[in-house]
Amino acid sequence: AQSVTQLDSQVPVFEEAPVELRCNYSSSVSVYLFWYVQYPNQGLQLLLKYLSGSTLVKGINGFEAEFNKSQTSFHLRKPSVHISDTAEYFCAVSDRSAGGGNKLTFGTGTQLKVEL
Amino acid sequence: DAGVIQSPRHEVTEMGQEVTLRCKPISGHDYLFWYRQTMMRGLELLIYFNNNVPIDDSGMPEDRFSAKMPNASFSTLKIQPSEPRDSAVYFCASRLDRAFTDTQYFGPGTRLTVL
Repeated sequence: AQSVTQLDSQVPVFEEAPVELRCNYSSSVSVYLFWYVQYPNQGLQLLLKYLSGSTLVKGINGFEAEFNKSQTSFHLRKPSVHISDTAEYFCAVSDRSAGGGNKLTFGTGTQLKVEL
Repeated sequence: DAGVIQSPRHEVTEMGQEVTLRCKPISGHDYLFWYRQTMMRGLELLIYFNNNVPIDDSGMPEDRFSAKMPNASFSTLKIQPSEPRDSAVYFCASRLDRAFTDTQYFGPGTRLTVL
């Protein structure tokens, strides 16, 4: 079984400042990692995912994340945020087996609030 | 293309009533997922289907919950009888069958309130 920890429930940041949203995972097997964003009253949208290869993954809207196997982390970053980035961000993990790959385990979410 | 469609968007009902949530996946998608989101438990996978067949329902909380997918373009999640602790946002998601790492596309959710 896997688990995901998002230590920060809320992250306030000023517009144009950089931001990092932290995600740590626990798993006894190799995993795939995902970041999703949820805007108010909407479903989740995929920002980016790590499957294999380069540990630095680039996603939509200028976001990127780095997979660190030794620290079991997959932190999300953006060098300069915009008001429109205000949303809730979810880190998720699935194992690499054919059956397990369908079962995403989500963290509890981090509310990013961008202020002027 | 239209995304995943869910109805109703909001449902308010009284304890003991039957509730039916509906989902239309993206056309051509082979997998359909039902999730529940609550403040206490976060986002949880309830059940998923492949080609209309339920594959894993280990996340369904109780026998009061049931899900069906009679055809490739429609699924229902039913709660009978409903209880206040079932209040949550229920999401449906779908994806193609090319690889299980393919993106799951989420619908806008149904906010259920059981009084």
